[in-house]
Amino acid sequence: EVQLVESGGNLVQPGGSLRLSCAASGFTFSSYAMSWVRQAPGKGLEWVSGISGSGGPTYYTDSVKGRFTISRDNAKNMLYLQMNTLRAEDTAVYYCAKVTTFGGVITGDAFDIWGQGTMVTVSS
Amino acid sequence: EIVLTQSPATLSLSPGERATLSCRASQSVSSYLAWYQQKPGQAPRLLIYDTSNRATGIPARFSGSGSGTDFTLTISSLEPEDFAVYYCQQRTNWPLTFGGGTKVEIK
Repeated sequence: EVQLVESGGNLVQPGGSLRLSCAASGFTFSSYAMSWVRQAPGKGLEWVSGISGSGGPTYYTDSVKGRFTISRDNAKNMLYLQMNTLRAEDTAVYYCAKVTTFGGVITGDAFDIWGQGTMVTVSS
Repeated sequence: EIVLTQSPATLSLSPGERATLSCRASQSVSSYLAWYQQKPGQAPRLLIYDTSNRATGIPARFSGSGSGTDFTLTISSLEPEDFAVYYCQQRTNWPLTFGGGTKVEIK
């Protein structure tokens, strides 16, 4: 079964850091680009960051550039999001998502598999 | 950034009725538009990718059409499990963007 399981969400103070993890199983992880997508409470979906299958090109939405870093460990089938200098507006459920297209090159794609999400709350 | 505007914000329909959801892009996204369904407390589920291709396991009552800047998701006959929020998403330009969503509710 193809599955993504996120972890690492927590309550953190403004200015703090958090590292999210996403464990992938049931597919050839290195052959697919991956992304993080977030959803603030009661709001819509916002794409945050994406990474190619090889871990090479990475992409970010403007509001997190310089603060968040996406990475992956293909040997462990793991995706990560290091979040620094967190702000109240980063409060959201964070989903990891797998792209539809096989090959790992196409990072900008539709997402056919999603995790269950992990909650990040930034508050003092 | 490509802005996706979905309309209407809320659609009130009865089971068995046809639902037509719209997504308009601020600039052309070619055919690179996807649709997702999300139910409360659940992750989004991919319905349609690249305008009109149904994802694995998606029933034939869901169909997508359009090109350029105007796209439509049609649910031919609403089933009870179809009442949810629907989002469109473009993959033409960075950053990837989603529309604000259309809630399909029971009338």
